[in-house]
Amino acid sequence: QQQVRQSPQSLTVWEGETAILNCSYEDSTFDYFPWYWQFPRESPALLIAIRPVSNKKEDGRFTIFFNKREKKLSLHITDSQPGDSATYFCAASGSGGNYKPTFGKGTSLVVHP
Amino acid sequence: EAAVTQSPRNKVTVTGGNVTLSCRQTNSHNYMYWYRQDTGHGLRLIHYSYGAGNLQIGDVPDGYKATRTTQEDFFLLLELASPSQTSLYFCASSEDRANSDYTFGSGTRLLVI
Repeated sequence: QQQVRQSPQSLTVWEGETAILNCSYEDSTFDYFPWYWQFPRESPALLIAIRPVSNKKEDGRFTIFFNKREKKLSLHITDSQPGDSATYFCAASGSGGNYKPTFGKGTSLVVHP
Repeated sequence: EAAVTQSPRNKVTVTGGNVTLSCRQTNSHNYMYWYRQDTGHGLRLIHYSYGAGNLQIGDVPDGYKATRTTQEDFFLLLELASPSQTSLYFCASSEDRANSDYTFGSGTRLLVI
């Protein structure tokens, strides 16, 4: 059972465009949603995270939009740069029995110059 | 600097062989995790631990054992390695059980021939 789904599986944008990566989840008790990015031949690293008390979290060019009712969130990367090319993982965890983070399968983003 | 260190970086073994992957964290984190990463599957949790002597079963535990000998050290054991266990393995640590961010090690690439 896949509790965290990501789409699209891969995404290509031009430099300067806005990339939108989507994530949805099933368990309504999830209450923490970090995004990790992973560059080729490197390990995942935390990029940005959000808690459901807020419907938006911004960090520079990276913004998470969160819709609790629909159990969806999205990561927007504005003014995309070639250096943003990476695989992005959406994760979810909760304070209850499902506290261990569940990762989506990732979105591979390529930003062409 | 706080870190998660994995060894070895690369390992080749034969089918039926015995393999131990090592992980040490200097973050003073309570939780440690072992993940495998495969194309099309993202990050899948094998085992995790919330302290020395503790072991919890993850989502894909078959064929793997793990042991947490100290706060810092977490080992993954493959006692009868199979080609299906060829993968990239990541160790990670987190401070708390819920709503915590992961610090990942640099990974161990295992090939079972």
